Amino acid sequence: GQQVMQIPQYQHVQEGEDFTTYCNSSTTLSNIQWYKQRPGGHPVFLIQLVKSGEVKKQKRLTFQFGEAKKNSSLHITATQTTDVGTYFCAGTQYNFNKFYFGSGTKLNVKP
Amino acid sequence: NAGVTQTPKFRVLKTGQSMTLLCAQDMNHEYMYWYRQDPGMGLRLIHYSVGEGTTAKGEVPDGYNVSRLKKQNFLLGLESAAPSQTSVYFCASRNSGAYTEAFFGQGTRLTVV
Repeated sequence: GQQVMQIPQYQHVQEGEDFTTYCNSSTTLSNIQWYKQRPGGHPVFLIQLVKSGEVKKQKRLTFQFGEAKKNSSLHITATQTTDVGTYFCAGTQYNFNKFYFGSGTKLNVKP
Repeated sequence: NAGVTQTPKFRVLKTGQSMTLLCAQDMNHEYMYWYRQDPGMGLRLIHYSVGEGTTAKGEVPDGYNVSRLKKQNFLLGLESAAPSQTSVYFCASRNSGAYTEAFFGQGTRLTVV
């Protein structure tokens, strides 16, 4: 079956430092989505990448989709305490039905 | 719009007891999913449904059953609860089609003692 691996599992940064999480799939993905889960909350959709090599930005967040459509990354520039939470990638294969999440990266930002 | 609603929010079960978790969505979504979330394990897919009357197994289906008798509801059943099923359970729904985002319920925290 499809596996979506995510690293690192945890990341502790000082406020103002950058942060990156990586997502790798064992199979080619049709698209990849990123979600954020605040402590005690539920995952909330951030963005979707569809095209090979695609790069999208949301303010301080930069998302990339690999050329082979097997990996993706989320980079946060100059972290803030509001960035605290767990970031998940989620991918689907070309049948679109199953929706697999990575193991998540838990980000802690020290003020 | 309520979005995706899960009931109950919290539950404590004794080993061997049964229960049903209810997920209701009011967005007319075709696809619905049940995940469990454990520390360091991310969100693991238990079962999913691509339409009323259809269900399929995910990554970790053992010990769970599901039903989708109505399009807006997706039920997750535990016939004989085990301590290993202590977890936070999330329901999600999304539109059919290639590139649709998932909407999650608030989660159910289940403890089996």
